[in-house]
Amino acid sequence: EADIYQTPRYLVIGTGKKITLECSQTMGHDKMYWYQQDPGMELHLIHYSYGVNSTEKGDLSSESTVSRIRTEHFPLTLESARPSHTSQYLCASSDPGAGANVLTFGAGSRLTVL
Amino acid sequence: QQQVKQSPQSLIVQKGGISIINCAYENTAFDYFPWYQQFPGKGPALLIAIRPDVSEKKEGRFTISFNKSAKQFSLHIMDSQPGDSATYFCAASNDGSGDKLTFGTGTRLAVRP
Repeated sequence: EADIYQTPRYLVIGTGKKITLECSQTMGHDKMYWYQQDPGMELHLIHYSYGVNSTEKGDLSSESTVSRIRTEHFPLTLESARPSHTSQYLCASSDPGAGANVLTFGAGSRLTVL
Repeated sequence: QQQVKQSPQSLIVQKGGISIINCAYENTAFDYFPWYQQFPGKGPALLIAIRPDVSEKKEGRFTISFNKSAKQFSLHIMDSQPGDSATYFCAASNDGSGDKLTFGTGTRLAVRP
């Protein structure tokens, strides 16, 4: 079954630590995205990639970075976590079906920075 | 600046009733309007989508109504069921392919048995 996987699902970490949120998809999609979702708030696009070695920043400025070395893998890294980074991070990939890309989301990684 | 405004923030409906969620947008360049459904602990999943060349799209119990002149669109859930209880997000895109969606703030729907 095609799917998109995010790890860890939950992470509580101290200020200043480096963290990497993993995202993998088995569908062979070229396009992948990271959205940030705060409780009761809309999802904001922070990074996207249209293929290997392609990464772009989204509409919401983020101190995180991403890489796309393999089609199936799109990790997000925070070099020095701060409490303001506390949020849920959703990874997605897209399939150009029916004339528009359909986003398939992972279950999310909920990050808490103390 | 919020480009897609969604209301209500929360909604309680009795089983069998009609759930209505509204969204309004400002950017007239938007050309693709999907609705995503999110259950607790899961990522959002595409429910139904519409382009501005039609005023209504229906898929089963779910209908999108689109008013281009008013820059508004809404989701109607007919015969609402407890299994429909979830958070619903409207979204919009202006790049032609549905990439890089701008999402509304979400509506938490609870359908009472």
